[in-house]
Amino acid sequence: KNEVEQSPQNLTAQEGEFITINCSYSVGISALHWLQQHPGGGIVSLFMLSSGKKKHGRLIATINIQEKHSSLHITASHPRDSAVYICAVALWGSQGNLIFGKGTKLSVKP
Amino acid sequence: KAGVTQTPRYLIKTRGQQVTLSCSPISGHRSVSWYQQTPGQGLQFLFEYFSETQRNKGNFPGRFSGRQFSNSRSEMNVSTLELGDSALYLCASSPLVVDTEAFFGQGTRLTVV
Repeated sequence: KNEVEQSPQNLTAQEGEFITINCSYSVGISALHWLQQHPGGGIVSLFMLSSGKKKHGRLIATINIQEKHSSLHITASHPRDSAVYICAVALWGSQGNLIFGKGTKLSVKP
Repeated sequence: KAGVTQTPRYLIKTRGQQVTLSCSPISGHRSVSWYQQTPGQGLQFLFEYFSETQRNKGNFPGRFSGRQFSNSRSEMNVSTLELGDSALYLCASSPLVVDTEAFFGQGTRLTVV
C-alpha cells in the first residue's frame, strides 16, 4: 500500500465545474504540499498545510490531521487549470524528504 | 527575484557515462532538495542539503551523489549511468529546513541511451 494515495487518478470536467481532489496518507507528517505540474515538467507549489484550510483565488486546500486526509478544491474551473495535481507529505524534521502521491491528471474542457 | 535555475535543461548520455546536474536556488534559500521523476515510479526523493550538509538521502544506490556549495548552489552526480536513470530530475529550494514552501526548478530531462 502506498503511503500517499490520491483520488481520482484522472478527472475530466467542464469549464465552470467545482472540482475536488483527495489525498490520504498513512505516515506521521509535519506538513502536506499540493503541487501543480504542467506538461513540460515544471512544478509549482500551490499550498503547504500543517492544519486547517488555506485559500488562494479559486483554489482551496484543507487538511484533517486526525483523519490523515487532505482535499484540494478548484471552484469555477477553467481550461488553464488542466494539469497534474500532486499531493506530497513532508516527514517530521525534514522539509525536503517528501513522499509523493501518483498525481491526479485534470482536464477541463471549454 | 530569480527562481530556481537548473542546468542543463536537456541531456543525452550513453550507458556507463557519468553526469553532473546543477541547481541554483533562489537567493537567500539555504535548503536544496533533489527529486527523480519517472513514468513508472513517479516522483521520488533523492537528497536534501542545508548549509553544505546532507541532511537526508532517499533510497537510491551509491551511484547517485550530491553536494552543496557555500553559495547554496547544489550539484548531483550520477555515475555509471543505466537506462533506468532516464528521468526528469527536479530540484527545489526553500529558506528553512522545516515547514516552509518549496520552490521547484524546471528540471533537467536526462535520457540515457
